[in-house]
Amino acid sequence: GEDVEQSLFLSVREGDSSVINCTYTDSSSTYLYWYKQEPGAGLQLLTYIFSNMDMKQDQRLTVLLNKKDKHLSLRIADTQTGDSAIYFCAEGIFGNEKLTFGTGTRLTIIP
Amino acid sequence: GAVVSQHPSRVICKSGTSVKIECRSLDFQATTMFWYRQFPKKSLMLMATSNEGSKATYEQGVEKDKFLINHASLTLSTLTVTSAHPEDSSFYICSAGTSGNYNEQFFGPGTRLTVL
Repeated sequence: GEDVEQSLFLSVREGDSSVINCTYTDSSSTYLYWYKQEPGAGLQLLTYIFSNMDMKQDQRLTVLLNKKDKHLSLRIADTQTGDSAIYFCAEGIFGNEKLTFGTGTRLTIIP
Repeated sequence: GAVVSQHPSRVICKSGTSVKIECRSLDFQATTMFWYRQFPKKSLMLMATSNEGSKATYEQGVEKDKFLINHASLTLSTLTVTSAHPEDSSFYICSAGTSGNYNEQFFGPGTRLTVL
């Protein structure tokens, strides 16, 4: 099957920027997503990007997509303690409701 | 925003018993619901796709007789783990699809199942 890969852990000092990376293999992906999961909770959609875009910014969040390299990143500016969570990237194809999730990156904020 | 609830949030049961987990879309109708299983330090594994009024579609390797899914209405899907075994202990998450412009799925808070 198609794979979506992420680093398992990332530690960032409070106030710095966090960059979480994701690589995927399905070239037919139409949408790419970033979800946030706080401890013991379900997933919350943070943002998504359509595959014909290369960047999307939403307040502190910036998503970059390199379709050629099948690389997706999420940058969180001015990282706060409330940003501590697991971040999942996911890919989807228009017309197919199934999503394929990455392994998740646990973001830890260092005071 | 769209809210999905799950019940129970935690359940502990003995081996051999069956456990039912409910997933409800509270403020919207979900034609499709998904059931995932999450392992520690691993991604969400899609178990099955549940469509209202029809049989669920199971992913390869998921035993449909063990994980019974019922999607009786546009707001409720249930997952029943039958003859539970300690290896079934996991975090089960449901989501509801909206077939919107960007295929967003709204996730429930998850159910922690522990089988003794």
